[in-house]
Amino acid sequence: EAAVTQSPRSKVAVTGGKVTLSCHQTNNHDYMYWYRQDTGHGLRLIHYSYVADSTEKGDIPDGYKASRPSQENFSLILELASLSQTAVYFCASKQGADNQAPLFGEGTRLSVL
Amino acid sequence: AQSVTQPDARVTVSEGASLQLRCKYSYFGTPYLFWYVQYPRQGLQLLLKYYPGDPVVQGVNGFEAEFSKSNSSFHLRKASVHWSDWAVYFCARGNTGGLSGKLTFGEGTQVTVIS
Repeated sequence: EAAVTQSPRSKVAVTGGKVTLSCHQTNNHDYMYWYRQDTGHGLRLIHYSYVADSTEKGDIPDGYKASRPSQENFSLILELASLSQTAVYFCASKQGADNQAPLFGEGTRLSVL
Repeated sequence: AQSVTQPDARVTVSEGASLQLRCKYSYFGTPYLFWYVQYPRQGLQLLLKYYPGDPVVQGVNGFEAEFSKSNSSFHLRKASVHWSDWAVYFCARGNTGGLSGKLTFGEGTQVTVIS
């Protein structure tokens, strides 16, 4: 069964600390995405990747880095976490065709204190 | 700017009643369109998707949506709501002919089901 697994599911971080969110997919999908969801808002794209060892900036990349070391794994890195980065983060993967729907993970709830 | 708008932030509906959730998009052409549902503390699950073709699309759990190019809309409907439909619903737009496969999401509609 197709799956996107995120870890951790929740995290509390301190301001200025480094945070790494991990995503693993077993779907053999080319594309992977990191989205951010804030309370009362839709999802906004942070970074994405369509091939291993390459990442692209999404709509709100500032303050985030991404890493795609293999087709299956895609990480989101907050080098210096800030209060404004408190949110729920979703990873997604999909096949290469534009008409395919991304498959989402269950989300990581990040609180920066 | 090319966007997706869900004008209703919250909708309350009685169990067994019909439901319509509105979605308006802006795009230069005919986009791919999606409806996702998010149950409490869960990820997004696909309800249905639209590709250029039949304007009425059937989805899971009795949901359907109708695409209108003239109105730039993709409204979601369900004939009879169940308590388990209590969730947040997101409309999203994909780009045809693009390389990224990115989706642009609306802000979501919270559906509350009352008995």
